[in-house]
Amino acid sequence: AQSVTQPDIHITVSEGASLELRCNYSYGATPYLFWYVQSPGQGLQLLLKYFSGDTLVQGIKGFEAEFKRSQSSFNLRKPSVHWSDAAEYFCAVGLYNFNKFYFGSGTKLNVKP
Amino acid sequence: DGGITQSPKYLFRKEGQNVTLSCEQNLNHDAMYWYRQDPGQGLRLIYYSQIVNDFQKGDIAEGYSVSREKKESFPLTVTSAQKNPTAFYLCASSPGQGNSRYSYNEQFFGPGTRLTVL
Repeated sequence: AQSVTQPDIHITVSEGASLELRCNYSYGATPYLFWYVQSPGQGLQLLLKYFSGDTLVQGIKGFEAEFKRSQSSFNLRKPSVHWSDAAEYFCAVGLYNFNKFYFGSGTKLNVKP
Repeated sequence: DGGITQSPKYLFRKEGQNVTLSCEQNLNHDAMYWYRQDPGQGLRLIYYSQIVNDFQKGDIAEGYSVSREKKESFPLTVTSAQKNPTAFYLCASSPGQGNSRYSYNEQFFGPGTRLTVL
């Protein structure tokens, strides 16, 4: 069965520090990969996506993610975190030609001043 | 502006009542979805519809029902059979088949409805 694992439930970083949020998936073929961000009480906003090609993808708000096939990972990174980045982040897997998503359980990011 | 709207933002229900959550999109998307979100559990798929007049059960469909009579609308009814309905409900849509491969699977989300059972 397909699964998406985000091993970190909560992460706290200082403003200006770098950030890496981990995501691992379990699927037989290369899926479509996504990172979404959710502010409290709001819907989800797409940060970036990977379908094929260059394994380092750039997204909005200065985020990037790297697909590593050998590790079945799609970790999200940001070189310098801003206080406004405090939110919950979800990794998701989409299956080609099968219109469903599988979401990780999310990672809550706190940013210290 | 194109987007997805959900109403109401907050909904209170007494035990034993059915309630219907609204989801409307003007993105001309074929596919629509309903998710339930509980703390620490991510998003779980309730129902999805790939085309008008057709829908499929997701992973947690028991106690819920949907209809898809119009392309732009996908209302969710939470019935009295749902044992623990208090949650945050998210509606999403995606272009679906017939669009470019690179937009095929991306999902766009509404702002959500928080349902509380009193």
